[in-house]
Amino acid sequence: NAGVMQNPRHLVRRRGQEARLRCSPMKGHSHVYWYRQLPEEGLKFMVYLQKENIIDESGMPKERFSAEFPKEGPSILRIQQVVRGDSAAYFCASSPATGPIAKNIQYFGAGTRLSVL
Amino acid sequence: GQQVMQIPQYQHVQEGEDFTTYCNSSTTLSNIQWYKQRPGGHPVFLIQLVKSGEVKKQKRLTFQFGEAKKNSSLHITATQTTDVGTYFCAGDYNQGGKLIFGQGTELSVKP
Repeated sequence: NAGVMQNPRHLVRRRGQEARLRCSPMKGHSHVYWYRQLPEEGLKFMVYLQKENIIDESGMPKERFSAEFPKEGPSILRIQQVVRGDSAAYFCASSPATGPIAKNIQYFGAGTRLSVL
Repeated sequence: GQQVMQIPQYQHVQEGEDFTTYCNSSTTLSNIQWYKQRPGGHPVFLIQLVKSGEVKKQKRLTFQFGEAKKNSSLHITATQTTDVGTYFCAGDYNQGGKLIFGQGTELSVKP
């Protein structure tokens, strides 16, 4: 059973370019979460999606960032016109469902390390 | 707002010594999850605590959830070099949805 798959693992962009990060959840998981981790810091929640729906985007910057989880295919986190401050590790996690016990445990992918030159 | 504080930020121990990290939430949690992240790696799920006062053990690791479901701890007995990494607690307030992560405790173990 493959885990959460993220690609690319490393992404280098110049200021002003677009970055697209992809995440395929674990088989059977319908909930996807994106987190950002700056160097030497903890993980900060960005957005929570189910298939075709954004459930919670309270952690997402208002401009330049967007996320989707289409009916078919991976979840995409898109950053337009990247700036140096966007350099970070972006982790995707998935869970099978929500609920009090076990089902809302989040399993993380290996992450995408974004470097903005 | 919902916030999870974790201390200490760093802990350096001699191999064989014990290690403890503590998490405290400003408000009552639905459950708390613990993760370990190795340098350059990704968070790996360790355990979930759901019930008030719950204690769970995994070999040398002991996890506790406070009676008020606002605090939690992870204790490692007789640390080994393989325990090196950063340990994060993550609070779940809504039985699903976003996790609020603590700042993490970076553990280094001197052989």
